[in-house]
Amino acid sequence: GESVGLHLPTLSVQEGDNSIINCAYSNSASDYFIWYKQESGKGPQFIIDIRSNMDKRQGQRVTVLLNKTVKHLSLQIAATQPGDSAVYFCAENNPGGYNKLIFGAGTRLAVHP
Amino acid sequence: SAVISQKPSRDICQRGTSLTIQCQVDSQVTMMFWYRQQPGQSLTLIATANQGSEATYESGFVIDKFPISRPNLTFSTLTVSNMSPEDSSIYLCSVEVGREGYTFGSGTRLTVV
Repeated sequence: GESVGLHLPTLSVQEGDNSIINCAYSNSASDYFIWYKQESGKGPQFIIDIRSNMDKRQGQRVTVLLNKTVKHLSLQIAATQPGDSAVYFCAENNPGGYNKLIFGAGTRLAVHP
Repeated sequence: SAVISQKPSRDICQRGTSLTIQCQVDSQVTMMFWYRQQPGQSLTLIATANQGSEATYESGFVIDKFPISRPNLTFSTLTVSNMSPEDSSIYLCSVEVGREGYTFGSGTRLTVV
């Protein structure tokens, strides 16, 4: 299938290390944020979300941190595995007149054994 | 979470022709969203389709090029009209499902020759 993320920045990590993927969002009014994982040939898959009234949220092996002061979002993946290799996108929900999801640029994560 | 089926999954089309992409959801949803993902890039919102009203298009996208239908609460179509090679992209359908965030279909991979 087509390769996703050919032109995106790449983060290379060793298997077992922790990964941190960063994202800057654009709208200070955004109230909801989501991290997605996209593998080649597939649509984006939900990983974890966080609302704007929170600073941190943890899932299984993943943690999302939100810094509203500088409009920054990060995704931490603990004990990175080869199956984590994919492109990761942050997305912000713009409330506006109706909800819509706006995507960030994306980062390709390459996990090496 | 909602399950989205998109058809076709991929197509190769001649320039100047049109392709209609179908999106079927297994539950009733108010809003359906259409995204474009150009090769190696992030997702860009094309338009939001609300049942019973005209779609709302984002800046840079127009109805004549990307007409959308939303005949009921589980189905929508996006047509890519008068195609050129620059329209070669992945086109994705998405829905917002309550607290489960946004779910995506697996996409339609369009190549225009």
